[in-house]
Amino acid sequence: AQSVTQLDSHVSVSEGTPVLLRCNYSSSYSPSLFWYVQHPNKGLQLLLKYTSAATLVKGINGFEAEFKKSETSFHLTKPSAHMSDAAEYFCVVSELSGGSYIPTFGRGTSLIVHP
Amino acid sequence: EAGVTQFPSHSVIEKGQTVTLRCDPISGHDNLYWYRRVMGKEIKFLLHFVKESKQDESGMPNNRFLAERTGGTYSTLKVQPAELEDSGVYFCASSQGPEQETQYFGPGTRLLVL
Repeated sequence: AQSVTQLDSHVSVSEGTPVLLRCNYSSSYSPSLFWYVQHPNKGLQLLLKYTSAATLVKGINGFEAEFKKSETSFHLTKPSAHMSDAAEYFCVVSELSGGSYIPTFGRGTSLIVHP
Repeated sequence: EAGVTQFPSHSVIEKGQTVTLRCDPISGHDNLYWYRRVMGKEIKFLLHFVKESKQDESGMPNNRFLAERTGGTYSTLKVQPAELEDSGVYFCASSQGPEQETQYFGPGTRLLVL
């Protein structure tokens, strides 16, 4: 069985400072891992995904995440926050189950960016 | 290229009524997914269509929920009769290829059952 834990429900940063959104997962097999972002009244947009290639994954808008198997973590980072990064972020794990890949979502982390 | 669209954006109904949600995937996407987010909880998978066939409906909560995908194009999700606990945001997503490929999400339908 797979599960995802997003360790912070809210993260608050100042514009221009680094962003760290934490995600831990458990999975029986080799999972695929994703980060999605949702801006208000918009659909979820894929930021990046890990599918057993390079462990450091670069995504859109300057975000990246590092897959650490030993720590079962897939934390999302960005060197410098921008006001437009304020949104809700979801960590997702997906593994094969009964012939289908069923995604499991974390509860989401709201990123607040102060001027 | 048009994205995934969902209709309505909001719906407020009374307990016992019927509501039908619609999702139009990106043209050419064979895979269509429904998800639900109950307030304060995580987004949960409901079911997966490949063209007009249900590939996996293990996440459907009970038989009050019926999903269809006519002709492998748009999909509807009907809740009949609606209960209070059905309130939440219903998301639809589509993808072109296998499940691990990028899923494109619609903006969601916010359902409130009173």
